Amino acid sequence: EVQLVESGGGLIQPGGSLRLACVGSGFSVSGNYMSWVRQAPGKGLEWVSIIHGRGDTYYADSVKGRFSISRDNAKNTVFLQMNSLRVEDTAVYYCVFFYWGQGTLVTVSS
Amino acid sequence: QAVVTQEPSLTVSPGGTVTLTCDSSTGVVTSGHYPYWIQQKPGQAPRTLIYDTNNKQSWAPARFSGSLLGGKAALTLSGAQPEDEAVYYCLLTDSGPWVFGGGTKLTVL
Repeated sequence: EVQLVESGGGLIQPGGSLRLACVGSGFSVSGNYMSWVRQAPGKGLEWVSIIHGRGDTYYADSVKGRFSISRDNAKNTVFLQMNSLRVEDTAVYYCVFFYWGQGTLVTVSS
Repeated sequence: QAVVTQEPSLTVSPGGTVTLTCDSSTGVVTSGHYPYWIQQKPGQAPRTLIYDTNNKQSWAPARFSGSLLGGKAALTLSGAQPEDEAVYYCLLTDSGPWVFGGGTKLTVL
């Protein structure tokens, strides 16, 4: 059974950094795409970033230069390093590989 | 980057049929966009209903089907049930960035 479990969210001040993690089970992150998608309170889904099986990465314009996606194949884990956080980054962040995790809430506020 | 457009809301009667569509500002939606349809119910995480145009996830009921229709991706629900009331998001992918539509709020009434 495929499972995705996100962690690392929390309350952070504007300008701060957080690192989200997504542990996969029931499949291998190394040979597949893994994506991060976020949802601000009361809003729709917004794609954030993706790392493909071959390792190439892409970012939404809204996070380019501030966020970085990576993976640790040995731990079957994908990370999202978020720097220079803004109030508008407040959202539930989901890890996605066909299946979706339950999400982790990131709140950026002073 | 492309803008993906969906109907903001639709209503279907119980047992009825409804088609949701997904349009791209860059032109015709093709199988090369690998269209996804994602269902989200209130207070729940999203879940993938259909991927790669018309492939259903194992949990997806047979009454849902995906297709390409008139240059758009389409999700058809035949025989709507009350539990199908949800927001449905279209997602267009290719080998690079993803783009979500704004979502269609489907009411079964």
